[in-house]
Amino acid sequence: GQNIDQPTEMTATEGAIVQINCTYQTSGFNGLFWYQQHAGEAPTFLSYNVLDGLEEKGRFSSFLSRSKGYSYLLLKELQMKDSASYLCAVRDSNYQLIWGAGTKLIIKP
Amino acid sequence: TAGITQAPTSQILAAGRSMTLRCTQDMRHNAMYWYRQDLGLGLRLIHYSNTAGTTGKGEVPDGYSVSRANTDDFPLTLASAVPSQTSVYFCASSPQGDRTEAFFGQGTRLTVV
Repeated sequence: GQNIDQPTEMTATEGAIVQINCTYQTSGFNGLFWYQQHAGEAPTFLSYNVLDGLEEKGRFSSFLSRSKGYSYLLLKELQMKDSASYLCAVRDSNYQLIWGAGTKLIIKP
Repeated sequence: TAGITQAPTSQILAAGRSMTLRCTQDMRHNAMYWYRQDLGLGLRLIHYSNTAGTTGKGEVPDGYSVSRANTDDFPLTLASAVPSQTSVYFCASSPQGDRTEAFFGQGTRLTVV
């Protein structure tokens, strides 16, 4: 079967750095996405990786290792507004998105 | 710009009743999707449409039907609602292409009692 694993919940301090990991086992791979979802709101796109390595976008970076079936989302200079759930999704060989359950990130002052 | 709009925002529905969740996008995206999101589970695909006039079944299609008469609209129908269909439903769309991400509507919170 297909599976995406993420930690259920993480806590970090305002101004610090946090890394959210995602491991996947899917039938084929056509890219990995990270989305942010604030409570009661829709998911919004953060990043996309299809090749191995690091993609940087402001305070957020995403890393991919296809051989290890592994990705992480790195958030720097954490702000209170970063409190949200972070969803990892992999597009499989049928170009369908397989979603992880999400990681709830709690930021403390 | 409106983007992708869902209606209603929330609904309480008696078991056995039918209901259509509406979804409209103004971005001229070819692909559209319906997901349900339940606590502790990832988004699960119900039905999808890669282009107007075509639809396909996702991971959890039973009890739901869709149509795609034109590019903009993608309604989801529950023919006879059951309590297990209590969930938050998200409609999404994306242009086709390798790097294209999905854009989500604001969601419909449905409670079947």
